Amino acid sequence: NAGVMQNPRHLVRRRGQEARLRCSPMKGHSHVYWYRQLPEEGLKFMVYLQKENIIDESGMPKERFSAEFPKEGPSILRIQQVVRGDSAAYFCASSPGAVSTDTQYFGPGTRLTVL
Amino acid sequence: AQKVTQAQTEISVVEKEDVTLDCVYETRDTTYYLFWYKQPPSGELVFLIRRNSFDEQNEISGRYSWNFQKSTSSFNFTITASQVVDSAVYFCALSGRAGADTGRRALTFGSGTRLQVQP
Repeated sequence: NAGVMQNPRHLVRRRGQEARLRCSPMKGHSHVYWYRQLPEEGLKFMVYLQKENIIDESGMPKERFSAEFPKEGPSILRIQQVVRGDSAAYFCASSPGAVSTDTQYFGPGTRLTVL
Repeated sequence: AQKVTQAQTEISVVEKEDVTLDCVYETRDTTYYLFWYKQPPSGELVFLIRRNSFDEQNEISGRYSWNFQKSTSSFNFTITASQVVDSAVYFCALSGRAGADTGRRALTFGSGTRLQVQP
């Protein structure tokens, strides 16, 4: 019973390049969340998606960042024209999506380093 | 707005000591959920416990116990007889009710408490 999968685990990009982070939720989970953890800080919510829908993107920067969760395949967090301030750990979580608020189970994270 | 405060930035104890990690929260929701997660040095986040706002019973799981007090908006975590493997950053988190406002599913995290257990 695989947990939440994220890849790559480590990603190095130069300023101006694009970063593409992938997240496969746990089997049977249809809700995906992305969080960002800056060094020595707690996690900050970015975006909440269900299949083919963005439900809440209130925590995501308006520019350069986008997220999707297609009908088939993993959820993707895309950062265009990365800057040094984007260096962080990006965590994906998933939940089954029952009526009540579900426990979110986290993946191992992707550590993004922008040179 | 929701807020979670973990006032203890770092705690250092010697193995076998008991240690309590504090968590204080703020929310306007009448129904909410509280969580603790562990982040060991390897970096992943491990779910420890979930508690809903209607259930104020304390919970014990092995060496771990949690004390939820709604009157003081606190959800403290105690490790009994700590071990070196308990060394990690521990996060307290809060989420609001589900329903029409589905955005409430986002977790609000505290800044974490780094626990160092010395042998």
